[in-house]
Amino acid sequence: AQSVTQLGSHVSVSEGALVLLRCNYSSSVPPYLFWYVQYPNQGLQLLLKYTTGATLVKGINGFEAEFKKSETSFHLTKPSAHMSDAAEYFCAVRGPSSGSARQLTFGSGTQLTVLP
Amino acid sequence: DGGITQSPKYLFRKEGQNVTLSCEQNLNHDAMYWYRQDPGQGLRLIYYSQIVNDFQKGDIAEGYSVSREKKESFPLTVTSAQKNPTAFYLCASSPGGQGAVGYTFGSGTRLTVV
Repeated sequence: AQSVTQLGSHVSVSEGALVLLRCNYSSSVPPYLFWYVQYPNQGLQLLLKYTTGATLVKGINGFEAEFKKSETSFHLTKPSAHMSDAAEYFCAVRGPSSGSARQLTFGSGTQLTVLP
Repeated sequence: DGGITQSPKYLFRKEGQNVTLSCEQNLNHDAMYWYRQDPGQGLRLIYYSQIVNDFQKGDIAEGYSVSREKKESFPLTVTSAQKNPTAFYLCASSPGGQGAVGYTFGSGTRLTVV
């Protein structure tokens, strides 16, 4: 079974400050990891994903995440927050095997607020 | 452009009524999913389908039903047995196979019981 824990249901940062959203996963097999963003009353949009290879993954809108196997983490960062980054962010894990393990398992989400 | 269309965007239901939420995709994806989203609870899986004419219950299937008669369509019916249906409902799809591909999401339907 696989699971995802997002530390901090709400995170506030000042505009221009570093954004750090934390995600830890549990998986019995090497996972595929994803970050999604959701703006109010909209669906989820893929920010970035880790499959294999380079552990630092760059995504859209200046976000990046680093896969750290030893820490079972996949934290999302952005060097400088913009007001438009205010949204809810979801971390997700997916196993490479077949059946139900290939479904995405989502974390409970982190609401990011950007203060002017 | 390919994508997933959910309709309607807003839906109001009276107590005791069944309502059906539409989800259509033109991405040629094999798998489709329905999630329910409540504040502070993330996404909870209701039903999923990996192939036409087949579907499986997710974590919170009680009070819901689905069909998958066509590859493109995966409608969700919220029945009167669902005691607390007010929520935001998201449909998603993904290709089959072993690829490391995430899901594509629709824009959601907000259901309110009046």
